[in-house]
Amino acid sequence: QKEVEQNSGPLSVPEGAIASLNCTYSDRGSQSFFWYRQYSGKSPELIMFIYSNGDKEDGRFTAQLNKASQYVSLLIRDSQPSDSATYLCAIYNYGQNFVFGPGTRLSVLP
Amino acid sequence: EPEVTQTPSHQVTQMGQEVILRCVPISNHLYFYWYRQILGQKVEFLVSFYNNEISEKSEIFDDQFSVERPDGSNFTLKIRSTKLEDSAMYFCASSEREGGFGYGYTFGSGTRLTVV
Repeated sequence: QKEVEQNSGPLSVPEGAIASLNCTYSDRGSQSFFWYRQYSGKSPELIMFIYSNGDKEDGRFTAQLNKASQYVSLLIRDSQPSDSATYLCAIYNYGQNFVFGPGTRLSVLP
Repeated sequence: EPEVTQTPSHQVTQMGQEVILRCVPISNHLYFYWYRQILGQKVEFLVSFYNNEISEKSEIFDDQFSVERPDGSNFTLKIRSTKLEDSAMYFCASSEREGGFGYGYTFGSGTRLTVV
């Protein structure tokens, strides 16, 4: 059974701070890693994905992957109140489908 | 920006009734999916569909569920005899290529199914 774990939160950060969201996964063979944002009552929206160990930056977002530790994180710089949402970590293996974590609720305080 | 469209946005049905949830994927996408999310819980995979057949399904997708692409544009999920525990948000998704290779999915806005 492939598991994806996230701290459910809420994680509260002040506006302008860096929010750090973490995810661990059980399947060492997992190949690609995605972060989705989900506002309450809405569908998941893709933020970014990462395949290789290290960091990947896209605007205010940085994804970090450490396959040896089975750990992936998302950093949000200069957090805004509009970033308040649930962040879903998802893993994907070829020929299979996404396994989602339970999500971390982020609250950015003005 | 292209969207995945789902109808209806909210469906209320009596236990034991059949429901059909409808989706119009993005036009050049080839892979189609249904996921569900029970309130407060994880997004869970139900089924993937490619080349007019099911490519993978989860344990949740039992004999009461079926999918169809009846006319080359719509993609439907049918639940034959609904149970209370089928109450959830159902998301349709589509992708141009197999979902994990750099594209993720485009999710529709969802259909909230309430079984009473």
